[in-house]
Amino acid sequence: AQKVTQAQTEISVVEKEDVTLDCVYETRDTTYYLFWYKQPPSGELVFLIRRNSFDEQNEISGRYSWNFQKSTSSFNFTITASQVVDSAVYFCALQSPYGGSQGNLIFGKGTKLSVKP
Amino acid sequence: SQTIHQWPATLVQPVGSPLSLECTVEGTSNPNLYWYRQAAGRGLQLLFYSVGIGQISSEVPQNLSASRPQDRQFILSSKKLLLSDSGFYLCAWSVRRGGEQYFGPGTRLTVT
Repeated sequence: AQKVTQAQTEISVVEKEDVTLDCVYETRDTTYYLFWYKQPPSGELVFLIRRNSFDEQNEISGRYSWNFQKSTSSFNFTITASQVVDSAVYFCALQSPYGGSQGNLIFGKGTKLSVKP
Repeated sequence: SQTIHQWPATLVQPVGSPLSLECTVEGTSNPNLYWYRQAAGRGLQLLFYSVGIGQISSEVPQNLSASRPQDRQFILSSKKLLLSDSGFYLCAWSVRRGGEQYFGPGTRLTVT
């Protein structure tokens, strides 16, 4: 079975703090992709990153960074120097294009991040 | 560039009434199309996906149906709404299976 777990339901930080959002996944497939999406209060999901299972290099994009560790089946997301505009619900998702889920995204339940000024 | 539209943005319907939500994509051909539902305080649930005109796959049995009458048009329907159909409905598209999905602005449906 495929599953994504985001154990942190809600996180509250003060502006300029660093914050890490955890994501743990389960899959038996060897080829899969991991994603992070941001859902601001407006509701639209915004694509942030896609990572394939063969690339464990960490990625940095501005204040955002992602740490992929196959050994622990985790794909954590860190926001450095958080800002109020980062307040949103963040979803981690798993996709196995050749596996049982037929290539569809399996989402975690999301982590609501509140950044206070 | 590609854009995805959904309408209406919000909808309040009584129980037992019909439903039709529309999603269109611009700037790409033969996209994979998806309907998701997000109930209050919960994650996203895939309802339907389509890899081409007239090709619909259902993920969850329910009183909803989907159709794809044109390449870039995806419609979600119901003949009789239930209270449990309330939620935020999101349409998404991707270039291929295994690719990232891009989401529309969503439709907030309240069934009263």
